[in-house]
Amino acid sequence: QVHLVQSGAEVKKPGASVKVSCKASGDIISTYYMHWVRQAPGQGLEWMGIIDPPGDGTSYAQKFQGRLTMTRDTSTSTVYMELSSLRSEDTAVYYCARDRGHDNSDDILDVWGQGTMVTVSS
Amino acid sequence: DIQMTQSPSSLSASVGDRVTITCRASQSINSYLNWYQQKPGKAPNLLIYGASNLNSGVPSRFSGSGSGTDFTLTISSLQPEDFATYHCQQSYSTSLTFGGGTKVEIK
Repeated sequence: QVHLVQSGAEVKKPGASVKVSCKASGDIISTYYMHWVRQAPGQGLEWMGIIDPPGDGTSYAQKFQGRLTMTRDTSTSTVYMELSSLRSEDTAVYYCARDRGHDNSDDILDVWGQGTMVTVSS
Repeated sequence: DIQMTQSPSSLSASVGDRVTITCRASQSINSYLNWYQQKPGKAPNLLIYGASNLNSGVPSRFSGSGSGTDFTLTISSLQPEDFATYHCQQSYSTSLTFGGGTKVEIK
């Protein structure tokens, strides 16, 4: 059974960047696609993007194009999400989630990390 | 992007009630519709995928139906642990989108 453990809460100033990690324990995730989803306080879920198993293929939601970078380290079963040029509207809980599909993405998110709160404030 | 609209945004119900939540897509998504349950301060949890398939370990009181643009999540007999927010999500388009969520509260 896989668990996804994310890095701790962050406080950043506007214009800065944040990098959140998500490490798998109990099972490897090297053959799975991984997603990032965020949730602003009191709001719904917002899909950010997906990274393929080798880590050389990504697809981002249009609103994050140019600011979002997803990477992964297959040797440590860790994926990363870096968001730059932060603004107050980026204040949210950021979740990593595993795609249920094995080797092929089916865009069904069956295992989630615990979430990382990112606060953007001057 | 495909827009997903849930209704109602919140509802009050009692233990034992039958509860129905609807989700409408802005275009046909066949059966590429998934439901998640989220409790306060916790990550979402996959309930149903492919509109009607129960995820492993999910109680049989949960069911999903629909295809095309209109979908429903039904809880046949609400239990205390079911008070939560429910989200639908389309997996038809590679740009995934979620509904706004439905909060189920205790009456």
